[in-house]
Amino acid sequence: SQQGEEDPQALSIQEGENATMNCSYKTSINNLQWYRQNSGRGLVHLILIRSNEREKHSGRLRVTLDTSKKSSSLLITASRAADTASYFCATDAGETSGSRLTFGEGTQLTVNP
Amino acid sequence: NAGVTQTPKFRVLKTGQSMTLLCAQDMNHEYMYWYRQDPGMGLRLIHYSVGEGTTAKGEVPDGYNVSRLKKQNFLLGLESAAPSQTSVYFCASKDPGNQPQHFGDGTRLSIL
Repeated sequence: SQQGEEDPQALSIQEGENATMNCSYKTSINNLQWYRQNSGRGLVHLILIRSNEREKHSGRLRVTLDTSKKSSSLLITASRAADTASYFCATDAGETSGSRLTFGEGTQLTVNP
Repeated sequence: NAGVTQTPKFRVLKTGQSMTLLCAQDMNHEYMYWYRQDPGMGLRLIHYSVGEGTTAKGEVPDGYNVSRLKKQNFLLGLESAAPSQTSVYFCASKDPGNQPQHFGDGTRLSIL
């Protein structure tokens, strides 16, 4: 079963708007990662946030992590049509589990021009 | 840099046939992984390896075998394919520690 649950399952916005996706998980983690998947392609890593970090930025991306609530959010600011993709959160339980990732079911983001 | 390369990209099998999916990485990564992705779902881990000569089971290992004879290659085998194994298979690799995984573009496998 999937550890992560993502919300919403689908999101449709206009170009220039902000997009927020949420992820919840169940067990303790070493870090949490966000990936993007364009249709028919592999996953591309976006950002990694460690369990002792609360917020991280990368370009137009902002990720928050609340380990007390076991939740994370991904904010994409000033969205572009090229941001249209599926976004997945994944949790890494650490080296003792081989840094294996457990994925959520993803959010399908559509950015309309 | 090619990164993570998966072959073949597409394959159609009949029930009961066997095949091997190949994953090759040129980043000298220690860890490698095989996932499957079914429609509308995230990735689920089949098997993984934390070093040459080592393998371990993931979340959904039944019906699959793997081998890591060389550091750069990770092979996924289906001994007797079943329709339930129709899926998109992704390979990934990474360095130890708080590092991201690097993914291939996937192998689309249909079993009739």
